Amino acid sequence: EAGVTQFPSHSVIEKGQTVTLRCDPISGHDNLYWYRRVMGKEIKFLLHFVKESKQDESGMPNNRFLAERTGGTYSTLKVQPAELEDSGVYFCASSQETAPTGELFFGEGSRLTVL
Amino acid sequence: AQSVTQLGSHVSVSEGALVLLRCNYSSSVPPYLFWYVQYPNQGLQLLLKYTTGATLVKGINGFEAEFKKSETSFHLTKPSAHMSDAAEYFCAVSDGLMNRDDKIIFGKGTRLHILP
Repeated sequence: EAGVTQFPSHSVIEKGQTVTLRCDPISGHDNLYWYRRVMGKEIKFLLHFVKESKQDESGMPNNRFLAERTGGTYSTLKVQPAELEDSGVYFCASSQETAPTGELFFGEGSRLTVL
Repeated sequence: AQSVTQLGSHVSVSEGALVLLRCNYSSSVPPYLFWYVQYPNQGLQLLLKYTTGATLVKGINGFEAEFKKSETSFHLTKPSAHMSDAAEYFCAVSDGLMNRDDKIIFGKGTRLHILP
């Protein structure tokens, strides 16, 4: 069974540019989460989808971040325009049951570097 | 609101020695507590979790953690370190109320180095 896959694994862009990160959850997992880790800091929650609906987006930093999950399958996280402080590793996780009851399965992360 | 503090961003132990990674949490309600591990070039993986019941929780790869409410701690231990345990470990907490959908809050992580 395939795990959670994320693309790209690493992206380097200049300030002001746009980047789109993609996450493919484990098949059948209705719950999809985005987290971000800035270097040296904790892994911070961004948002939670249940199927195609945003259940909780309280962790989204600002309106430069847009997450979608059309059709309830894969999800994208777009940053437009990117700022220096957006650099970090973006993790996606999926679960069959809603956290914390359900176990989260994480992807390897997408490292974003904004120059 | 919940929070987690992991003491020590880097911990080094000799192969065969005891591993102790410290975690203290803050929660106004009964917590769910977790330890996740991230091996190089991999995603985070659940090591173990505490929900209710027995306070000593056993996980994969010989790790265990004990929930101590009086100390608000959930330290991770392993009696004998192996080279393959070198990784980054994350303590996490969540609201343990039944039927609550709540996010999992992670600590800053502790990188474990194993010395030959």
